[in-house]
Parts: sequence; C-alpha cells; structure tokens
Amino acid sequence: GNSVTQMEGPVTLSEEAFLTINCTYTATGYPSLFWYVQYPGEGLQLLLKATKADDKGSNKGFEATYRKETTSFHLEKGSVQVSDSAVYFCALSTNTNAGKSTFGDGTTLTVKP
Amino acid sequence: EAGVAQSPRYKIIEKRQSVAFWCNPISGHATLYWYQQILGQGPKLLIQFQNNGVVDDSQLPKDRFSAERLKGVDSTLKIQPAKLEDSAVYLCASSSPSASVYGYTFGSGTRLTVV
Repeated sequence: GNSVTQMEGPVTLSEEAFLTINCTYTATGYPSLFWYVQYPGEGLQLLLKATKADDKGSNKGFEATYRKETTSFHLEKGSVQVSDSAVYFCALSTNTNAGKSTFGDGTTLTVKP
Repeated sequence: EAGVAQSPRYKIIEKRQSVAFWCNPISGHATLYWYQQILGQGPKLLIQFQNNGVVDDSQLPKDRFSAERLKGVDSTLKIQPAKLEDSAVYLCASSSPSASVYGYTFGSGTRLTVV
C-alpha cells in the first residue's frame, strides 16, 4: 500500500536559518506529492504540490522537488520566519485510489526570533 | 470562494455519549472526505463520498461511527457511543474530481474530547 515517512520532529530553528524537512514515500502507480501546513487551531492548508518526476513545487518561499529515483519530496526554505512556525505534512495521492491522500505524521517547526 | 465549513469547533462529551459533526464543502466539489487526526499523528481517512455515494469507508469503525451525505452537498459524521480513544480532531475536506492533481481544501476541524 501507499505510505509516507517524514523526518521526526520537532525542529527548532532561529529566524533566517535554512530549513529542510525530509519526506520519502512508497506508492503504487505514479503519485502526486503534496506538502500541507497546519497552523495552531486550524485545518490543513495546501502549501505546494508536484505531479510528476522532476517537477518542483513552490509557494511562499518554500520549495520541494519530486525525486522519483530516491522516492523523496523534501521541503526546503532558505530563510525561515517566526510566522512559519507550524506543523508540516507530506502527502501523496494516486489516481488508482480515487484521489485519496495518504499523509505522513507531520513535523512540527518552531522558529525563534 | 467560501471555504469548507465545519461545526462545532470544539466538543467535550463523556464516554458512551453520542456526538455529531457537520461539514459543508466548497460549492461544486463532488468529493468529500472525513479524516481523523489524533494528536501527534497525520490525518487518517475515515470515509470518502463522491456526490451522495460512499467510495471508501473501509477504515470507518462502523460499530460506532456513521456518516451520511444525503443530498450530495453537506455531510454529517456521528459517533455513538463515544470512547476515550475517539478524542481527536475530525477534519472534513473536499475536492474536485482532480484531487490527485490539485489536492484538498480542508475545514478548520472539530476538536473532540471524550472524558
């Protein structure tokens, strides 16, 4: 079956530091890959996505590249801000499972001033 | 465009009581999902609807959980009777038929505490 593995957190960084959150996946078929962000007390929001190998998703300074050879979709940001503090979820979806998404367990990021 | 609406935001009940959650998806989104998010974990799918039909309810504990989407628009998820381990955030999401490409839109969730 499909699965997503994220690096364990929590991750604590100082403002303007470089961020990497690792995500690897196992899937049948050709998945689309997503990163969602969850701010305290809110639902998940789609942050970025990539639908095929070598695609790069980007949004709000965050980037992730779909690497089929390593089955990875690591999230990166060059300079984090306090407002980026949240929980980040990696997810995948395939047409073979009617569009259902499988989520990782999330990585909590705290950015300190 | 209005987002996915959920209510209530918070609910505290005693074990063995019943509870219901409501979700109104984005207008025009045919697919609706209910996810359970236990603290410290990622969301786990409970049930998926396509219009008013069930696509997947394989992970729904049917002895205590039920869900319906009678007119293919809003949906209700019910738990009866509740157990302590049902304490979680219940997330509703909706999508166009191209969810595997465009992803979901989530509501803010209902935080359930069973005491």
